[in-house]
Parts: sequence; structure tokens; C-alpha cells
Amino acid sequence: DGGITQSPKYLFRKEGQNVTLSCEQNLNHDAMYWYRQDPGQGLRLIYYSQIVNDFQKGDIAEGYSVSREKKESFPLTVTSAQKNPTAFYLCASRGQGMGQPQHFGDGTRLSIL
Amino acid sequence: RKEVEQDPGPFNVPEGATVAFNCTYSNSASQSFFWYRQDCRKEPKLLMSVYSSGNEDGRFTAQLNRASQYISLLIRDSKLSDSATYLCVVKPVSSYKLIFGSGTRLLVRP
Repeated sequence: DGGITQSPKYLFRKEGQNVTLSCEQNLNHDAMYWYRQDPGQGLRLIYYSQIVNDFQKGDIAEGYSVSREKKESFPLTVTSAQKNPTAFYLCASRGQGMGQPQHFGDGTRLSIL
Repeated sequence: RKEVEQDPGPFNVPEGATVAFNCTYSNSASQSFFWYRQDCRKEPKLLMSVYSSGNEDGRFTAQLNRASQYISLLIRDSKLSDSATYLCVVKPVSSYKLIFGSGTRLLVRP
């Protein structure tokens, strides 16, 4: 089945540690996105990528990094510089075309130990 | 002013009721519009795209008013399973970013 796979589902980070969240899609979509959602809040854009080897900062990029070496993959690293990383992280992708919606993975919940 | 604004609710309605959500957007150059549904602790899922002429999918009807920069979602004959947060989403022209509203929470009671 085509879709977006995020892993792990739950992740715990120790103080000073970098952690990487995986996002893989087999929808052949060019554009991919990372969002953060805090409890009771809306989605906030962290980074997005329109094409392989290119990505742009979203609204809250500080403390995060990404790479886009393959079309299918857009991993997000939460660095130790991100002082409040506890949140629900959502990856999405979108096909080309004016009316194309975004499709989401089922998310990763990150907590601090 | 937020780019996409929604009434946060919650809207608390009995089963069988008709409920309407509104959404306003600030960028007049927006080209694509969507409604998503998000259940508690789950990812958002596409409910329906919104077309200029308005469109219907079963009990759900979406309307777009470009002149007023306003989108609506009407849910008829509400079911308990309709309880969720409904997100209004707008895509500006010449941008790869989609702009998400903060969502309107719906609670359907027996």
C-alpha cells in the first residue's frame, strides 16, 4: 500500500542527546514536510523540502535539522539545542499539481527522560 | 492577524444535529482549500477538498467564497463518530507551504 511511514511511534530523549525521526514515503511525491504539534495546539511547520537535496526552514526550525538525500526519505534530527522537544511530530508529503492535498504519516511522540 | 482563522469551539451538539464551521483566510492569492479531520492523538486526515463551485460528499458540504475569503464546512445528521477537530487548510499560489488553521473542535453527544 502507498503511504507515509514514520518511526519510531514513541521516542525518549535524554538531556544533551540528538535524536532522529524517520519519515519514508512511497507515493512518489516531490514535496515533504515536518510539523510539530503541542497538546491542544495547531500544527507548526519545522522544515519542508520541495525536491531532493533542497530544503527550507519553516516557522520553528531552530534546534532541528533535516536532510533530503533521497526522494523517499526526509529524516528530522532534534538536536540538543531544542530545549523543549516534547511534542507530537508529523511528517507529510504532497504531489505536484495545484489542488493536491498533503498526506500525513501517523506521527512520532517525543518525550524527554 | 493569523493567515487562517477558525473558531476553536468546542461545538457541543446532539446526534442528528446540523453544524457549520467557518474559516477565514488573509491571503487573497490562495489557490487551494481543504478540510482535514484530526482525531485525538492522531494524524490529520483529508476530509475533502473545497472547490470554487462548492462540493458535497455525503453528509458533508464545503463552500468557498473568494470575495469574502471565507470557507465553510456543513455537517448534516451528526454522528457520534464525527467528534474530532476540523482543520481548515489553505495553499497560497506560488508556495509549497500549506497553511493550517488551529482547528475547530466538535463534540457530538448521544
